[in-house]
Amino acid sequence: QQPVQSPQAVILREGEDAVINCSSSKALYSVHWYRQKHGEAPVFLMILLKGGEQKGHEKISASFNEKKQQSSLYLTASQLSYSGTYFCGTEGGSGSARQLTFGSGTQLTVLP
Amino acid sequence: GAGVSQSPRYKVAKRGQDVALRCDPISGHVSLFWYQQALGQGPEFLTYFQNEAQLDKSGLPSDRFFAERPEGSVSTLKIQRTQQEDSAVYLCASSPWGGHQETQYFGPGTRLLVL
Repeated sequence: QQPVQSPQAVILREGEDAVINCSSSKALYSVHWYRQKHGEAPVFLMILLKGGEQKGHEKISASFNEKKQQSSLYLTASQLSYSGTYFCGTEGGSGSARQLTFGSGTQLTVLP
Repeated sequence: GAGVSQSPRYKVAKRGQDVALRCDPISGHVSLFWYQQALGQGPEFLTYFQNEAQLDKSGLPSDRFFAERPEGSVSTLKIQRTQQEDSAVYLCASSPWGGHQETQYFGPGTRLLVL
């Protein structure tokens, strides 16, 4: 089942903060966050693992509530380069499946 | 280092034609995934390989879709008798091992338009 992302879209001024939420109805091994700009590949931002470990490449933080199967991505002091569509991808917590199930995305626009 | 590459980047096909889309994963990566992304949507899983073995093809929408990875590196996604509903971006991703909780690295995708 597809995770639910909210909000669908958000518009910010440079320097403002934003929170993007991702909620799943099933138990998860991990939650992956990506940013995609128009016509480009999804770029990895963060992976949140069952058990609490968090790995990322950028100065963007996130949380994972395993009991509620919810994750939130926190963008602080947003920059123009943060504009794009953010996707959460969930890895199910049962069976041998390795694929990610993605939400429908949150479109973030940062204005100067 | 080199990332995931895909070719062609754009493909226009007439309805009924066969197409072949190529993916070169990051060198040494064991796992390879194909996803389909419709306009304005998140990627949807098609199929998954671990080395040359296709372990999951549950996301392939019909028997017109076929994927292979014969030597455990490059993969090809083939669509036979293309239909207009096949128009989408086809994304390939790879990850280092075959385990859970691994980062998947995406290629730029092939944008397929079926006329």
